[in-house]
Amino acid sequence: KQEVTQIPAALSVPEGENLVLNCSFTDSAIYNLQWFRQDPGKGLTSLLLIQSSQREQTSGRLNASLDKSSGRSTLYIAASQPGDSATYLCAVTYGNNRLAFGKGNQVVVIP
Amino acid sequence: SAVISQKPSRDICQRGTSLTIQCQVDSQVTMMFWYRQQPGQSLTLIATANQGSEATYESGFVIDKFPISRPNLTFSTLTVSNMSPEDSSIYLCSVRDRSNTGELFFGEGSRLTVL
Repeated sequence: KQEVTQIPAALSVPEGENLVLNCSFTDSAIYNLQWFRQDPGKGLTSLLLIQSSQREQTSGRLNASLDKSSGRSTLYIAASQPGDSATYLCAVTYGNNRLAFGKGNQVVVIP
Repeated sequence: SAVISQKPSRDICQRGTSLTIQCQVDSQVTMMFWYRQQPGQSLTLIATANQGSEATYESGFVIDKFPISRPNLTFSTLTVSNMSPEDSSIYLCSVRDRSNTGELFFGEGSRLTVL
């Protein structure tokens, strides 16, 4: 069974610092890994999708890396802003198009 | 990409009542997914809704409690029946991108509180 863990569960950083969020998964046989942002009480917004053959994806201040063999992905957010405060979830697609989610990294960026 | 609209965005319900959540997608998709997110938890798949056939439910979820309709390729509903406080959650509708990327898109979620 695929299990996804996100560390740390919660963190606070001062504005301007870089954010580093970690996601690990137990079964390296994945099709892709996707990072999402979730604001309180809301749905999920897709941030980045990394296919299993890719090492990283970038969008603006966001960069996500994937090391499939070690079962890890890292989301970097450069020069954090208060608007980046949210919960960030990672999810892997595996098996028969199954999806496994982590519990999220809850981020607070302090002005 | 896909744009997904969900209604209602939130509701407060009485114990024993039922509520139907609607999900509208801006493009035709074969499968639509319904998830539940309990407070402080991650997402759990309830069922996959296929157009023209019965929904496929995950272990621990049954049709009597969570009936689903899928009348066409852009619309689905999820009903939460005979609600109890334990059903207080965010319910999310989701689809995969029609291209080969497999990217997943979500609606805004429906936040239900059962008193």
